[in-house]
Amino acid sequence: QKEVEQNSGPLSVPEGAIASLNCTYSDRGSQSFFWYRQYSGKSPELIMFIYSNGDKEDGRFTAQLNKASQYVSLLIRDSQPSDSATYLCAVNNLNTGNQFYFGTGTSLTVIP
Amino acid sequence: DAGVTQSPTHLIKTRGQQVTLRCSPKSGHDTVSWYQQALGQGPQFIFQYYEEEERQRGNFPDRFSGHQFPNYSSELNVNALLLGDSALYLCASSLVGGREQYFGPGTRLTVT
Repeated sequence: QKEVEQNSGPLSVPEGAIASLNCTYSDRGSQSFFWYRQYSGKSPELIMFIYSNGDKEDGRFTAQLNKASQYVSLLIRDSQPSDSATYLCAVNNLNTGNQFYFGTGTSLTVIP
Repeated sequence: DAGVTQSPTHLIKTRGQQVTLRCSPKSGHDTVSWYQQALGQGPQFIFQYYEEEERQRGNFPDRFSGHQFPNYSSELNVNALLLGDSALYLCASSLVGGREQYFGPGTRLTVT
């Protein structure tokens, strides 16, 4: 069973719409949850992290965490063509070490 | 504020050769983690260094080894290269006990 699962997409949304990206994880003891954005040929860039159940907002980005359902999501409001990238979900459990487990990523395309 | 740096950016090696990749962590960070990212996949954890010791290791063979220097910079060494070692190698830095990890630009290794 994969540690972290994401829909690989591709996900296409029109410019100005809300993009919704989802991630599930298998380790119920996971404590920290991260979203990275990766442009083609580049390295991952940390855009959001969340540690507690509920929502966390930062500009156009909102991360949502539901530990009971082992589910974390990322909403991108007012999507822009520059948001077109692969979004990687990562989780870790400090009780078992500080390694991050990554999903395979969801490819997002924002259509002008 | 200097971010994570890696060298070289690209490298081409032949099967059976050995390679050394280098990483300098973000200013103020003391922990370095190495990841391998194959095409179309999420990063896979190789190992983590803190206080010049390997603290945690992922599911990679002994051909993969590393080192951390007193200035917190790190090297990743891969011996007896295989075609399957072709990937983007990412270095991430963090504070010990800290949750967020920040990636460098990566080294693209091609094994022919």
